[in-house]
Amino acid sequence: QVQLQESGPGLVKPSGTLSLTCAVSGGSISYSHWWSWVRQPPGKGLEWIGEIHYSGATNYHPSLKSRVTISMDKSKNHFSLELTSVTAADTALYYCARDLTIVRGVFDFWGQGTLVTVSS
Amino acid sequence: DIQMTQSPSSLSASVGDRVTITCRASQDIGNSLVWYQQKPGKAPNILLYAASRLEVGVPSRFGGSKSGTDYSLTINSLQPEDFATYYCQQYYNVPWTFGQGTRVEIK
Repeated sequence: QVQLQESGPGLVKPSGTLSLTCAVSGGSISYSHWWSWVRQPPGKGLEWIGEIHYSGATNYHPSLKSRVTISMDKSKNHFSLELTSVTAADTALYYCARDLTIVRGVFDFWGQGTLVTVSS
Repeated sequence: DIQMTQSPSSLSASVGDRVTITCRASQDIGNSLVWYQQKPGKAPNILLYAASRLEVGVPSRFGGSKSGTDYSLTINSLQPEDFATYYCQQYYNVPWTFGQGTRVEIK
């Protein structure tokens, strides 16, 4: 059973960089899946941030593209999110997720989420 | 981006009721729609994908349908564990986009 676990600072200063890592266990990240980041502001809905394929290909949400980088470290079986120039609007619960083997863009495994607050 | 308009934003229902939640896509997305259930403090969980295909382990009281660009999630005979927030999401085109969510509350 695949498990995903997010980690990273829970507090980031405005204009700073948000950096999170998603550790994958119970399966190799080097398989034909896409791995995504999704966020949820407190009390609000879900927003897809971007994804990375084990080949290294990436896609990002156009509204965040200028500030987002998703990368993968196959040796550590994890992938990461960097979001630059953060503001209070980036305060959210950040999830990492994996898509279904047979259907891209449908998320079958999720991390528990990690809350990141942007505040001075 | 494909916009997903979900309604209602919330509803109150009783155990045993039948409830329907609707999602409208801003363009044709074929059957590329998934429904998730999210309980407080938890990550979303797949209910159905391909508009109407039940995920393994999901009770058969959950059903999905499509009419044009309108998609519906129906819960027959609502159970206590079904009180949660439901989201639709299209996976026809990147960026994947979600509906705003429907909170199902106990009447």
